[in-house]
Amino acid sequence: AQSVSQHNHHVILSEAASLELGCNYSYGGTVNLFWYVQYPGQHLQLLLKYFSGDPLVKGIKGFEAEFIKSKFSFNLRKPSVQWSDTAEYFCAVNAPTGFQKLVFGTGTRLLVSP
Amino acid sequence: GAGVSQSPSNKVTEKGKDVELRCDPISGHTALYWYRQRLGQGLEFLIYFQGNSAPDKSGLPSDRFSAERTGESVSTLTIQRTQQEDSAVYLCASRAMGNSPLHFGNGTRLTVT
Repeated sequence: AQSVSQHNHHVILSEAASLELGCNYSYGGTVNLFWYVQYPGQHLQLLLKYFSGDPLVKGIKGFEAEFIKSKFSFNLRKPSVQWSDTAEYFCAVNAPTGFQKLVFGTGTRLLVSP
Repeated sequence: GAGVSQSPSNKVTEKGKDVELRCDPISGHTALYWYRQRLGQGLEFLIYFQGNSAPDKSGLPSDRFSAERTGESVSTLTIQRTQQEDSAVYLCASRAMGNSPLHFGNGTRLTVT
């Protein structure tokens, strides 16, 4: 069965610090990978996604993620965070065929102090 | 509509009562998902509908939970004989065919007293 692990539950950074949030999945087949973000008081929205091709994907607001197949990882990065990046970040995975149940990690709550 | 609509936005109910949560997906979206998010926890998959196929109910936590969807339209999630541990935000999401991203609603915050 698919599962997603996010090891960092809470992260606190100062503005301009670099960010890396870990995401590992357990699924032997080809997968699609996503990062979703939930800003305070808002609904979940897509940050970036990987389907195929270049394993380094760029998302909105300067975020990027790298798919490393050998490590079953899809870590999220941003070189310099801003206060407005304070949010909860969720990694998700689904198989591209068959029932496309999207499985989410438990989320990482990021707090950026000004 | 512009997005996924869920109603009610908040629901307070007494333990033992039944509740019904509604989700209006984006028009034309064939796939519809229900998730539950308990306080301080991640998204827990409940059920998935894809067109006219049999739904994937593998995430429903007990037989008190059920969901229906008519075609590619509205879905309702019903919780019978609610318990305090059912308190959570219930999120609905829809997406078009293929690998398009999920579009989430704002959720229904259920509080069981």
